[in-house]
Amino acid sequence: QKEVEQDPGPLSVPEGAIVSLNCTYSNSAFQYFMWYRQYSRKGPELLMYTYSSGNKEDGRFTAQVDKSSKYISLFIRDSQPSDSATYLCAMSGGGGSNYKLTFGKGTLLTVNP
Amino acid sequence: EPEVTQTPSHQVTQMGQEVILRCVPISNHLYFYWYRQILGQKVEFLVSFYNNEISEKSEIFDDQFSVERPDGSNFTLKIRSTKLEDSAMYFCASSVDSGSTEQFFGPGTRLTVL
Repeated sequence: QKEVEQDPGPLSVPEGAIVSLNCTYSNSAFQYFMWYRQYSRKGPELLMYTYSSGNKEDGRFTAQVDKSSKYISLFIRDSQPSDSATYLCAMSGGGGSNYKLTFGKGTLLTVNP
Repeated sequence: EPEVTQTPSHQVTQMGQEVILRCVPISNHLYFYWYRQILGQKVEFLVSFYNNEISEKSEIFDDQFSVERPDGSNFTLKIRSTKLEDSAMYFCASSVDSGSTEQFFGPGTRLTVL
């Protein structure tokens, strides 16, 4: 079983739609959960950061973590064409690997005007 | 807004040559990282660096790789003898504290090994 699994998509939605992106993971030691946005041939840009279980909201973005199910989600409300990018989940924490981020493969999102 | 910068943006080299990729982390950050992303694949951790020493490294980070903070601002990744499979985007990242807090990434260096 892969440590972090993420549906690569592609996902195509109309402008204004609510987008739901998610990842599952197998390592119960993960404590810190992040979502990054990556435009083509650019570096990952940190969008959301969450510690342990719960919800976090920032503008149009909401991150959810369910540690009991080993499942994390990112919701984008009122999606815009500028949201078109690859969204990466990443996780860290626990044991001897506090430092490294473990990434999902990314979901390619296209928001159509 | 402070950001991580990387140079060069694109490096082309011949197999067997040495390359040095450079990064300037965010100025008040204490932890530094290198990741790589082979085209179409996941971003993969290579190494973390704190207080002038390696904190953790992955199995990818073998003897061909080394990191250095030669002065108060630069952080470098050296590949001694490049292989074709080293072709990838290399990202530098930094964080104020350990990897349990936010890591901010640079724009990357595209390394092409011919």
